[in-house]
Amino acid sequence: QQKVQQSPESLTVSEGAMASLNCTFSDGTSNNFRWYRQHSAKGLEVLVSIFSDGEKEEGRFTAHLNRANLHVSLHIREPQPSDSAVYLCAVNSGSSGNKLIFGIGTLLSVKP
Amino acid sequence: ETAVFQTPNYHVTQVGNEVSFNCKQTLGHDTMYWYKQDSKKLLKIMFSYNNKQLIVNETVPRRFSPQSSDKAHLNLRIKSVEPEDSAVYLCASSFTGVEVFFGKGTRLTVV
Repeated sequence: QQKVQQSPESLTVSEGAMASLNCTFSDGTSNNFRWYRQHSAKGLEVLVSIFSDGEKEEGRFTAHLNRANLHVSLHIREPQPSDSAVYLCAVNSGSSGNKLIFGIGTLLSVKP
Repeated sequence: ETAVFQTPNYHVTQVGNEVSFNCKQTLGHDTMYWYKQDSKKLLKIMFSYNNKQLIVNETVPRRFSPQSSDKAHLNLRIKSVEPEDSAVYLCASSFTGVEVFFGKGTRLTVV
C-alpha cells in the first residue's frame, strides 16, 4: 500500500526566502501527485498537481517530481506571512488508484 | 469560493449519541469522498462514492455509514459516537482520477 512521508515536520523561513518541502512515497507506479495547503479556517486548497517527471509551476509554487527516486518536492518562491499553513502532499494509490494517500504535513511559518 | 459545502462547521456531542454530517458539491463531479483528519493532522480516506455506488470502504467501524441521495450529495452518519471519533471530517469531490476539491470540514468533539 502506498505510504507517503513528508519532511521536515515544521519549517520557519523569512519572508522572501525560498521555502522547500519534501515528500517521499513508496509505490513508484503512482501517476498523480498533489500539493495542498491547509489554513485552519479555509480547508484544503490545491496548489500544484503533477503527473509526470519534471517540473510544474503554478504562480509562486513549483513542484518537482522524480518517480525513480520516489520523491516530489514543493518550492515556494518569495513566501509571505500569509503562506503560513500546513502543506500536505497527496499521492494516488498506484497507477490506477483514485484514492489519495496523504502525508502528515509540514507546518510552514513565514516570519516578516 | 469553495464548491464543496459541509454542514455543520462544528459539533459537540456526548458519547453514545448519533450524529449526521451533510455534504453537497456543485461542481458536477461524479465521485465524492469522506476523509477523517485526526489530531495529528493525518488525513485518511473513509469512503468514496462514484455515481451513488460505494467504491471504497477503508475498514472503518460499522457505526459509520455514508448516505447518498444523488451524485451531488454524500452525508455521513455516525451511530453511537465514541471519544476516538473526535476529529475533523472532510468531504471532497472529483471527476474520477482528476483534481480533488475539499470542503472546509466538520469538527466533531465527543465529550
